[in-house]
Amino acid sequence: DGGITQSPKYLFRKEGQNVTLSCEQNLNHDAMYWYRQDPGQGLRLIYYSQIVNDFQKGDIAEGYSVSREKKESFPLTVTSAQKNPTAFYLCASTAGQGPFNEQFFGPGTRLTVL
Amino acid sequence: AQSVAQPEDQVNVAEGNPLTVKCTYSVSGNPYLFWYVQYPNRGLQFLLKYITGDNLVKGSYGFEAEFNKSQTSFHLKKPSALVSDSALYFCAVRVVSGGYQKVTFGIGTKLQVIP
Repeated sequence: DGGITQSPKYLFRKEGQNVTLSCEQNLNHDAMYWYRQDPGQGLRLIYYSQIVNDFQKGDIAEGYSVSREKKESFPLTVTSAQKNPTAFYLCASTAGQGPFNEQFFGPGTRLTVL
Repeated sequence: AQSVAQPEDQVNVAEGNPLTVKCTYSVSGNPYLFWYVQYPNRGLQFLLKYITGDNLVKGSYGFEAEFNKSQTSFHLKKPSALVSDSALYFCAVRVVSGGYQKVTFGIGTKLQVIP
């Protein structure tokens, strides 16, 4: 089965800790995205990457970092600088370079700060 | 700057009745418009998209959407609602800017289909 996997499904972080959320896709998609979802705010873009070794900040990149060393992997690190990290995090990917391709989403990771 | 508005936080409809979930957008350039559905604690699933051509777009699960350029709208519709359609629906617009693609999502509309 082709698709996007995110792990873990639930993650608990103590204040001051960095945590890394995993996103892997076997769809051979070029572009990958990270979104944050909060109730009543929809999806907000954190980072995106259109090709390996290249990524761009989205609307709310502060306190987050990413890497794109392999086409199939786009991990997101939530650093201690992110003051309010409790949220539902969604990873997505898109085939090709055209703007007309839909996004495929992973099942999400729910991060809670204790 | 591009934006998407979903003016209704929640839409309630009786099972079997037609449903409409509204979306308006603001972009410079040609819009590529999408609808996605999200069930609780899950990722989003693609429903349909408008790229060009016919203003009425048909998608998954019997949903369709009408693109109206003059009103800058892309409303989601279904002729007969099912209880299983109850979910959170997102409208999104995608444009190319400075060589990079940018996707903007609306805040979502919760659809409640009442048996």
